[in-house]
Amino acid sequence: GAVVSQHPSWVICKSGTSVKIECRSLDFQATTMFWYRQFPKQSLMLMATSNEGSKATYEQGVEKDKFLINHASLTLSTLTVTSAHPEDSSFYICSASEEVLRNEQFFGPGTRLTVL
Amino acid sequence: DQQVKQNSPSLSVQEGRISILNCDYTNSMFDYFLWYKKYPAEGPTFLISISSIKDKNEDGRFTVFLNKSAKHLSLHIVPSQPGDSAVYFCAASAVNTDKLIFGTGTRLQVFP
Repeated sequence: GAVVSQHPSWVICKSGTSVKIECRSLDFQATTMFWYRQFPKQSLMLMATSNEGSKATYEQGVEKDKFLINHASLTLSTLTVTSAHPEDSSFYICSASEEVLRNEQFFGPGTRLTVL
Repeated sequence: DQQVKQNSPSLSVQEGRISILNCDYTNSMFDYFLWYKKYPAEGPTFLISISSIKDKNEDGRFTVFLNKSAKHLSLHIVPSQPGDSAVYFCAASAVNTDKLIFGTGTRLQVFP
């Protein structure tokens, strides 16, 4: 089956620093990657959609300058939380899909970010 | 505006019995629906999906039913097993888009 990895699985940082989270599709080429955020006991909220080689499309209310997304290759997308603050603490999950398998998103294991 | 709703935050079922998880949606443009299972601190795992041209899809112990007129879908798990204990999310996708809109989840607990 399709495997998506995320690194790191958890990170603790000081307020004001930037954190980069990597999302990799290990055995398939991901034409589209998605970034979600999940607050405790809440649903997964889509933050942005990225296609390889083009700018990410952000959902309403998501600050593009704060959450920088780069999809440089068909197997790697990165999310950088810039100048992180405690309210950015959350569980971030990426997913990836192949072009021919519409709606079939394969999820990574998630990254727990804690900003002190 | 919550387009996909799971009104039951939790469900407790005895092992061997049927678990029924419900999901309602409001957007008539949704044409594809999925169910995911999620453990704490892990990403969701795909379970089963259904296209709007069908009203039922079955895969082993899992069956999804879709009632388009009521904008309602349900996931049936039978027989339920303790390993099924997790949070279940329904998700929906509209025509010509890859975006998934997730429900708020239902925590299923299967006890012996």
